[in-house]
Amino acid sequence: DVKVTQSSRYLVKRTGEKVFLECVQDMDHENMFWYRQDPGLGLRLIYFSYDVKMKEKGDIPEGYSVSREKKERFSLILESASTNQTSMYLCASTGTTLGTSGRYHEQYFGPGTRLTVT
Amino acid sequence: AQTVTQSQPEMSVQEAETVTLSCTYDTSESDYYLFWYKQPPSRQMILVIRQEAYKQQNATENRFSVNFQKAAKSFSLKISDSQLGDAAMYFCAYRSTDSGWGSGANSKLTFGKGITLSVRP
Repeated sequence: DVKVTQSSRYLVKRTGEKVFLECVQDMDHENMFWYRQDPGLGLRLIYFSYDVKMKEKGDIPEGYSVSREKKERFSLILESASTNQTSMYLCASTGTTLGTSGRYHEQYFGPGTRLTVT
Repeated sequence: AQTVTQSQPEMSVQEAETVTLSCTYDTSESDYYLFWYKQPPSRQMILVIRQEAYKQQNATENRFSVNFQKAAKSFSLKISDSQLGDAAMYFCAYRSTDSGWGSGANSKLTFGKGITLSVRP
C-alpha cells in the first residue's frame, strides 16, 4: 500500500515562528503537493513539486515556501506564522497506476496536520 | 482555469437508502478526469471513484456510481444502500488529462468545496 505520512497530526505555534511541516511518501512518486483545507473553501493548492529541487506555485502560495531535497520528502515552510494560517494542511503524492483502461495518475493523501497559530 | 462547484454543503440520508451528491464543473478542455474523494472524520482522504471524460459509460465501484453528463458538465455521485461508514465529507475534483509521465502540472487536482454527508441509523 502507498503510504504518505506527515510529521505531526496536531501542531500549535506562536505568531512569528518559523514552522516546518514534513511529508514523506514511500512509493517513489515524482509529484508531491501541499494543500490547505478550510471549512467552506475545500482544498486549495499551495505548492507542488514534480521532481527533486523543482517546485511550482499553486493557487495560494503567499506566506509559504517549500523544499524538496529528496524525492520522498516534501516540506512546507511557514517563514513567519500568522493566525490566518491556522488550518488543516494535507500533503499528497501522485503516482502512476495501471488500470484496466491504461495507466493513470492517482493522488494519495497523508493524514493531515492541524496547525493552530496563536 | 477550471472550476468545480458543489453547491450543497450538507446532506443527510437514512441508512440503506440511496443518496445523490451533486457536482458541476467548468472547463474548456475536451479530455479530462473527474474524481470523487471521501474524507471520513479524522481520517485520510481516499479515492472513491474516477471517470475519464472520453468514456461515455458511467463509472461504478460497488455501491458507488456516477452520473456523468459531459455536455451539461455535471458529475454526480450516487451512493446506494447507504451505510453508517459512508458518513464523511465528499469532494468532487477535476484533473486535466495526462500529457506525459511525471508531468506535475497535469497531476494537479482542482477540488470543490465539499459536502458533508451524514447517515441516520
